Amino acid sequence: NAGVTQTPKFQVLKTGQSMTLQCAQDMNHEYMSWYRQDPGMGLRLIHYSVGAGITDQGEVPNGYNVSRSTTEDFPLRLLSAAPSQTSVYFCASSYEGTQNEKLFFGSGTQLSVL
Amino acid sequence: GQNIDQPTEMTATEGAIVQINCTYQTSGFNGLFWYQQHAGEAPTFLSYNVLDGLEEKGRFSSFLSRSKGYSYLLLKELQMKDSASYLCAVLNNAGNMLTFGGGTRLMVKP
Repeated sequence: NAGVTQTPKFQVLKTGQSMTLQCAQDMNHEYMSWYRQDPGMGLRLIHYSVGAGITDQGEVPNGYNVSRSTTEDFPLRLLSAAPSQTSVYFCASSYEGTQNEKLFFGSGTQLSVL
Repeated sequence: GQNIDQPTEMTATEGAIVQINCTYQTSGFNGLFWYQQHAGEAPTFLSYNVLDGLEEKGRFSSFLSRSKGYSYLLLKELQMKDSASYLCAVLNNAGNMLTFGGGTRLMVKP
């Protein structure tokens, strides 16, 4: 069972470059989300989706775009990378929202923006 | 909004018991989660509390008091592999946003 798969595991960008972090899950989960994790600040929600075609903003959405064209995939796009976006990014999913249900996390993407 | 506080670091001895506290002030509440995260790895689910009281699961127990905005995670018979960060997270009223505290880094010493 693959679970939640994130790619790439590591990425280095220059300021102003764009890129997409990929996230896919094979558990037929309706709910998917993106978090960033910075030292001392815990996990902060960037965007989330409660189903295909539906996305919404989390706590720190600025500088990031998402789309949910299929149940399985939830890519995160950085349109113009900034050093402040250096962080570890986690994708997470659950069957039907987070109420009562644990999140399954991907293995993370370590992003450095120079 | 949500404000969640946990101690930054704790140290305990192998075989002992440790209690990690979490306090929260929130505009809405629909449950509290605890996750474990080993260094360099993804968080994994430990427990979920939505009603007041103690939930026991093997060596780990979690307690919730909604009136006090307080939870704790109790780890018994500590093992070296329990060295990790423990994340407290509160679910909002709508049940679609989970807000995490900064995490407590636990170091277990021989």
